[in-house]
Amino acid sequence: GQQLNQSPQSMFIQEGEDVSMNCTSSSIFNTWLWYKQEPGEGPVLLIALYKAGELTSNGRLTAQFGITRKDSFLNISASIPSDVGIYFCAGRAFSSNTGKLIFGQGTTLQVKP
Amino acid sequence: DGGITQSPKYLFRKEGQNVTLSCEQNLNHDAMYWYRQDPGQGLRLIYYSQIVNDFQKGDIAEGYSVSREKKESFPLTVTSAQKNPTAFYLCASRGELAGGSYNEQFFGPGTRLTVL
Repeated sequence: GQQLNQSPQSMFIQEGEDVSMNCTSSSIFNTWLWYKQEPGEGPVLLIALYKAGELTSNGRLTAQFGITRKDSFLNISASIPSDVGIYFCAGRAFSSNTGKLIFGQGTTLQVKP
Repeated sequence: DGGITQSPKYLFRKEGQNVTLSCEQNLNHDAMYWYRQDPGQGLRLIYYSQIVNDFQKGDIAEGYSVSREKKESFPLTVTSAQKNPTAFYLCASRGELAGGSYNEQFFGPGTRLTVL
């Protein structure tokens, strides 16, 4: 099955630093989602994007739906230890009427206090 | 409380045995999904169901089976035909986001299956 290219694969940063990660696809999507997964738990939806160019924030998190419809970006400002986890992007194609999502491989974030 | 429950959290089975993973939701969602997660990989879709008594294969359905006899339940059976069943299994259902304009997938807490 198709997968999205998500980068970086992992990040180890100092508390207080800003974080950026992105996802790219060879296909056009009409929806981009960002999930966070903590160890041993299910992913939790952080941000949903539905329009090209859309910029949406959720606290210290900001995500953007790329103008080309083939990419999305997630930024975390002033990171704190509880930001640790795996961040997944997910996209849904225009042709999907089943709600099926395609997931990136995830970005593992570790924050040093 | 409304939500998605998966049980058990940890499951151990001997090679060659079938095992059934439970997924229940009381959110009144129509669509439900099963994913498999392996270290360093994204979520891969096993099966999904858009309505009771109907389900479709996902990207990696071989060695798995499902049923959808009730709206709130979507159990997954990992059969002995699945060559590498040890993984973290996630169930999701699809429902309205706050605001009501869109429907997205919400995940249960997962079941970690280890086949010995």
